[in-house]
Amino acid sequence: DADVTQTPRNRITKTGKRIMLECSQTKGHDRMYWYRQDPGLGLRLIYYSFDVKDINKGEISDGYSVSRQAQAKFSLSLESAIPNQTALYFCATSAGGSWGRDEQYFGPGTRLTVT
Amino acid sequence: QQPVQSPQAVILREGEDAVINCSSSKALYSVHWYRQKHGEAPVFLMILLKGGEQKGHEKISASFNEKKQQSSLYLTASQLSYSGTYFCGTDRSGGYQKVTFGTGTKLQVIP
Repeated sequence: DADVTQTPRNRITKTGKRIMLECSQTKGHDRMYWYRQDPGLGLRLIYYSFDVKDINKGEISDGYSVSRQAQAKFSLSLESAIPNQTALYFCATSAGGSWGRDEQYFGPGTRLTVT
Repeated sequence: QQPVQSPQAVILREGEDAVINCSSSKALYSVHWYRQKHGEAPVFLMILLKGGEQKGHEKISASFNEKKQQSSLYLTASQLSYSGTYFCGTDRSGGYQKVTFGTGTKLQVIP
């Protein structure tokens, strides 16, 4: 089984709808991240969480919110989806605790289309 | 602020070498390298930290010039499996792992 899973894998939604993307991990990592990927723009950080009580905004948090329900679960919500939020969304985890020496493990991604 | 990667794209024949560069205008704590194959998630390659410490892939090498805030990824004797998009990520947060990724370098290895 995959260590980092994302649901759904693909989603088409309409403008104005609320949508939640979910991420679960079995790696036992404290740190979790949400990125979006757009062609030509690379990966951009939306939110990150170092533990259940520590959630931080990334570069492009406007229009998004997150919830860290447990160490293993980190959800990303779009309160009112708009077409320019159409992108590939990745969740990632890292162990933390080794002062910047941790690689990030990415989930398989969720392809979101807002029409 | 995103790091700048160059080149944006490169095509190699099997066995050829390539260098991918990553530069930042700000002081860096570490540089991270990931590879993403088409339709897949990014996969970790290397981390290079201030002071010379490295962690990562056995068959891929990289350098980090702390004074110039530049890193280079060296791909030698390229194989078809090296094809993909390479991302560098820079961490200025002193180890808090807040990584800012570049826009990527698309590498294609052909027979």
